[in-house]
Amino acid sequence: GQQLNQSPQSMFIQEGEDVSMNCTSSSIFNTWLWYKQDPGEGPVLLIALYKAGELTSNGRLTAQFGITRKDSFLNISASIPSDVGIYFCAGQPPDKYIFGTGTRLKVLA
Amino acid sequence: GAVVSQHPSWVICKSGTSVKIECRSLDFQATTMFWYRQFPKQSLMLMATSNEGSKATYEQGVEKDKFLINHASLTLSTLTVTSAHPEDSSFYICSAQDRDQPQHFGDGTRLSIL
Repeated sequence: GQQLNQSPQSMFIQEGEDVSMNCTSSSIFNTWLWYKQDPGEGPVLLIALYKAGELTSNGRLTAQFGITRKDSFLNISASIPSDVGIYFCAGQPPDKYIFGTGTRLKVLA
Repeated sequence: GAVVSQHPSWVICKSGTSVKIECRSLDFQATTMFWYRQFPKQSLMLMATSNEGSKATYEQGVEKDKFLINHASLTLSTLTVTSAHPEDSSFYICSAQDRDQPQHFGDGTRLSIL
C-alpha cells in the first residue's frame, strides 16, 4: 500500500538536543497526525493537525501542518532518554490513514 | 481517555490452528475499527476497516477468508486468523475511532505460528 516518505529514517542524538523530523506526500491530506511507538506496543497519539499552516504543541513536542497540505513536521525540544522510540506520521486523505515509514530515535544520555 | 484494549498480547500456536484477537474501546464508542499488520522494523499496513454491524472492508491483497473480522458492537471488534501458518506470524494492531476523532491504538498482539 501507499506510504508517506518520512525522514530521517533514524537518528542518534545527545540528551538535551532538539530533534526535527518531517513527512512528505505527493497527495493532499485533510489531517496529519503524529504517533510514537515503543517496542512491542501500539502507537500512541502525540499530536493531531486539522488545518493547513496549523502549529500545535504538546509539551516539548511541536508539529506543523504544511501550508501545501502535502507535508508535516515534528520537533522535539530538549530531548530526554524516554523520547527513544519510533515516530510515525499519518495522513488522512480523508478516510483511512496512510502511515509514514517511521523515524527511529535513539537518545544518548 | 480514549483507551483501546487488545487481547491477547502474545500468542504462540501450532500451524493449522485458528486464533482470535479481541479489540475493545474501553471509554468511548468506536464507530470504526481498523486492523493493521506490522512486520519488524516496518510501518503499519492496514488490513481492513470495520464499522459496527456491517461487513469489513479489506485492503487489496488481504484474504478475507483467512482474516475474519467481526464488529459486533460499538466497543468490540475481533480478528480471527483461520488455519494459521508460519507466514501469518506477525504483530497485529487494532485501532478504534469515534467518528472523525483520531484513531487510538491497542497495544498489539504478537502472533507466532510454529
